[in-house]
Amino acid sequence: DAGITQSPRHKVTETGTPVTLRCHQTENHRYMYWYRQDPGHGLRLIHYSYGVKDTDKGEVSDGYSVSRSKTEDFLLTLESATSSQTSVYFCAIKKGLWETQYFGPGTRLLVL
Amino acid sequence: KNEVEQSPQNLTAQEGEFITINCSYSVGISALHWLQQHPGGGIVSLFMLSSGKKKHGRLIATINIQEKHSSLHITASHPRDSAVYICAVRMGTSYGKLTFGQGTILTVHP
Repeated sequence: DAGITQSPRHKVTETGTPVTLRCHQTENHRYMYWYRQDPGHGLRLIHYSYGVKDTDKGEVSDGYSVSRSKTEDFLLTLESATSSQTSVYFCAIKKGLWETQYFGPGTRLLVL
Repeated sequence: KNEVEQSPQNLTAQEGEFITINCSYSVGISALHWLQQHPGGGIVSLFMLSSGKKKHGRLIATINIQEKHSSLHITASHPRDSAVYICAVRMGTSYGKLTFGQGTILTVHP
């Protein structure tokens, strides 16, 4: 298994509060991704990173921001959580464009 | 219309049966992935392919670029194969970004 962890694994929060999810890798992989998984929608890309301080938006980026100040950490922030952001969030890493993408264990977020 | 369509959405089989899951996509791609997700579990990459066929144990993945279609086959299915199988495509290089199908829920009964 690729050395990829996510924290927290479970979180319950209230509408309007900020939330930060962390993805940590020990593989020195260049590419990192944040996805959300929802029933009826499958997996959708939120943001991705192609290097330290190099990030870009995915298809469902509204309400989310990211930061990558070092290779091993990719942070996803919900500036002001809403109930529509209740989801399971997966981080993934990839060494090179033609390499396999490895997924983290996921974070279950409930916004009340 | 989704760019990646999987069929069937749900599949029930008896142990030992040969299983096929299909994936069709609407645009040109540079690679296609098959992923597996067990209930409540994480996501594991099974195959990444851009042409032809790959085999790993009882799993076989094929792709036809001209027809924009891929299949995942499971031979001699087993209850532990019960999972959601997800097809995902990469278009161009696009920093490795993937577009996912909705997934196929497979249940294999003993």
